Amino acid sequence: DSGVTQTPKHLITATGQRVTLRCSPRSGDLSVYWYQQSLDQGLQFLIQYYNGEERAKGNILERFSAQQFPDLHSELNLSSLELGDSALYFCASSVAGVREKLFFGSGTQLSVL
Amino acid sequence: AQKITQTQPGMFVQEKEAVTLDCTYDTSDQSYGLFWYKQPSSGEMIFLIYQGSYDEQNATEGRYSLNFQKARKSANLVISASQLGDSAMYFCAMRVNQAGTALIFGKGTTLSVSS
Repeated sequence: DSGVTQTPKHLITATGQRVTLRCSPRSGDLSVYWYQQSLDQGLQFLIQYYNGEERAKGNILERFSAQQFPDLHSELNLSSLELGDSALYFCASSVAGVREKLFFGSGTQLSVL
Repeated sequence: AQKITQTQPGMFVQEKEAVTLDCTYDTSDQSYGLFWYKQPSSGEMIFLIYQGSYDEQNATEGRYSLNFQKARKSANLVISASQLGDSAMYFCAMRVNQAGTALIFGKGTTLSVSS
């Protein structure tokens, strides 16, 4: 168990809908990262938050947004969903520093029908 | 821009044999970290090993070792004495010491271990 909790584990929805994925980082970790994993794109970094502030942006679509709350949990909001958004979404957390590994949650499998 | 390249989509090995998974990276930064993760069919991401750019010795963690060749910008993972449970996808990743600290991942290599 990595200590990172993601909910829900599975999500099935329709095109055009909006969903929210939730992540609770490991106790003490201030950084939260969101990744999208699909067969064609691999593991793509979406966005990082550090202690409530956006730290870095990757390949995140404008239809997607995220935030980190004062209790350090994070939510990833996906709107106007398209078939191509179907993927495994990972949350990860870490302490600061270039040597620090990321601890991954078990992921949310999103299926857009 | 930073980039990780894993050129082997799939590798096949027999139990008890050693296997090397290739990883090359590209960065202009002097300070960076290299990571390997394992993703079994169950989907979770499992950290295996870390190598810092200034580390003088190659990293080792049990049956895993990292063959770090800085001049060639390569960070190959060596798994000794393969086991059936090693069958999984393996990802090489890099973090550079910039404002953001996210890991950039390669496309991965699928390792299949047979008996």
